[in-house]
Amino acid sequence: DTAVSQTPKYLVTQMGNDKSIKCEQNLGHDTMYWYKQDSKKFLKIMFSYNNKELIINETVPNRFSPKSPDKAHLNLHINSLELGDSAVYFCASSQAMDIQYFGAGTRLSVL
Amino acid sequence: QQQVKQSPQSLIVQKGGISIINCAYENTAFDYFPWYQQFPGKGPALLIAIRPDVSEKKEGRFTISFNKSAKQFSLHIMDSQPGDSATYFCAAGESGNTPLVFGKGTRLSVIA
Repeated sequence: DTAVSQTPKYLVTQMGNDKSIKCEQNLGHDTMYWYKQDSKKFLKIMFSYNNKELIINETVPNRFSPKSPDKAHLNLHINSLELGDSAVYFCASSQAMDIQYFGAGTRLSVL
Repeated sequence: QQQVKQSPQSLIVQKGGISIINCAYENTAFDYFPWYQQFPGKGPALLIAIRPDVSEKKEGRFTISFNKSAKQFSLHIMDSQPGDSATYFCAAGESGNTPLVFGKGTRLSVIA
């Protein structure tokens, strides 16, 4: 059973489109995150949710909107995709901001 | 003050050698220092972690050394193997308060 699962694994789309990435964790954790990893492998936190409430929102364009329907799910919706959005997006979860468990990532390519 | 500085950016080590990756932090409130290992196409996975009440923690071939006064910690991989080739991230955080702050990563290549 995968602890943190993300779908899709790959996403190829045209500039200007809107897309969503889904994340689910079955660890019973209360905190979930979205990270962006660029081509240089740098991990940048985007959002953090605790019990469905947004607690961290780093400097991210408002085209990115996280949605947490319940504490086991944190989806990422991206509007008006741009070339610079191409990256690998990781979802992660933790209990009380301790050890983070990462999903396998979603590789987004914007053409 | 929230940064964690990691070096080197990349590292090439002969099989059987020792790989050493260093990290430094500024925030004295940090009390949790994990290392993550990431293989190509996979998400980062926790490798080993230390809290500041000890100066060293060893798990198999992996050892974290921690110097509280210098605000530095390092990962040592003994008897490095080609299977250790991956990107390693150090991180630091305040337990229960804030998300981890990650270093920029070190790409390790172990060559035979």
